[in-house]
Amino acid sequence: DTGVSQNPRHKITKRGQNVTFRCDPISEHNRLYWYRQTLGQGPEFLTYFQNEAQLEKSRLLSDRFSAERPKGSFSTLEIQRTEQGDSAMYLCASSSGGAGFFGPGTRLTVL
Amino acid sequence: GENVEQHPSTLSVQEGDSAVIKCTYSDSASNYFPWYKQELGKGPQLIIDIRSNVGEKKDQRIAVTLNKTAKHFSLHITETQPEDSAVYFCAASWGVEKLTFGTGTRLTIIP
Repeated sequence: DTGVSQNPRHKITKRGQNVTFRCDPISEHNRLYWYRQTLGQGPEFLTYFQNEAQLEKSRLLSDRFSAERPKGSFSTLEIQRTEQGDSAMYLCASSSGGAGFFGPGTRLTVL
Repeated sequence: GENVEQHPSTLSVQEGDSAVIKCTYSDSASNYFPWYKQELGKGPQLIIDIRSNVGEKKDQRIAVTLNKTAKHFSLHITETQPEDSAVYFCAASWGVEKLTFGTGTRLTIIP
């Protein structure tokens, strides 16, 4: 399968814990995006990388959130001190300049 | 920032009939308008997109129309089939980064 992959697919954590998600983009896609989707809503933009450079961050990305893309390949999204409001589907997408191809997402549940 | 409104939120059509979903956007600088299909438990899948220099685009049973003056764009699905049942999202952006999504339309095809 050469699509965008995300791990884990599901994560259940207790409030206050840290979590990290991984996204592996389509090979050779230089652009990588993170979105968050809550139930019944469309995805909301969080951040975007071109190669290893993080070019834009949404106001939704509080100080508890950090994203990296070392070497311009896979990316990680870390949430520190999780809150119940962080419960959502976290989607990753990649592109080579056109429309983004989305992965299956990581569903986070914060208890 | 950009704001995208999508209607209707739910739509049921008889198999074989046509379905139309409409979106409006607020930022006249937006020039890229993709449509995504999301099935349960999966990430959004790009089904068609249009850029602001084009008024209409068609791909088999799917077509998108854009009215830049009115800031409206619509998705048309003809000869609907059961596998068309899903949630559909419109989106808008300047360039292809930082998509702003609508709230989605749950389309149900009645056999």
